[in-house]
Amino acid sequence: NAGVMQNPRHLVRRRGQEARLRCSPVKGHSHVYWYRQLPEEGLKFMVYLQKENIIDESGMPKERFSAEFPKEGPSILRIQQVVRGDSAAYFCASSAGVQDTQYFGPGTRLTVL
Amino acid sequence: GIQVEQSPPDLILQEGANSTLRCNFSDSVNNLQWFHQNPWGQLINLFYIPSGTKQNGRLSATTVATERYSLLYISSSQTTDSGVYFCAVELYNFNKFYFGSGTKLNVKP
Repeated sequence: NAGVMQNPRHLVRRRGQEARLRCSPVKGHSHVYWYRQLPEEGLKFMVYLQKENIIDESGMPKERFSAEFPKEGPSILRIQQVVRGDSAAYFCASSAGVQDTQYFGPGTRLTVL
Repeated sequence: GIQVEQSPPDLILQEGANSTLRCNFSDSVNNLQWFHQNPWGQLINLFYIPSGTKQNGRLSATTVATERYSLLYISSSQTTDSGVYFCAVELYNFNKFYFGSGTKLNVKP
């Protein structure tokens, strides 16, 4: 029974490039959450999605960041024109239903040079 | 938003010692989870504990929802317990976790 999968585990980008982070939820889970962890800090909520819908994006920066969870395939967090301040660990979590236990993936560590 | 405060921020233990980590939160919550982030950055789910007491081996947790705090007990600590322990809470009708800033534990051999 596979858990939450994230890839890549490590991603290096130069300033101005695009970063695409992928998250495959636990099989059967239709709720996906993205969190960001800056160095030496706790995790901060970014966005909550259900299949084909963004439910809550109150934690997403207004520019350059977008997320999707298509009917088929993984959820994608996309960061355009990355800057050094985007360097962080990005965690994805999934749950079976509303306010159920969230299971976290191993994270993607993004480094912007 | 809700405030989640963890204490102590840092803790150094000798192997075999016991410890208690605390999480205070400022509002009624629907869900509370404790996580261990190991030195490789991986988040491990320890307890789902919105109220009551649970035990899993050397670890146990208690949440007193009416007084808005939770405690994580680590007994007979081992070097593999090192890492950062996070408390995270979820409010009613808000489908997202609010994380505390963590307790960084270093268990020395």
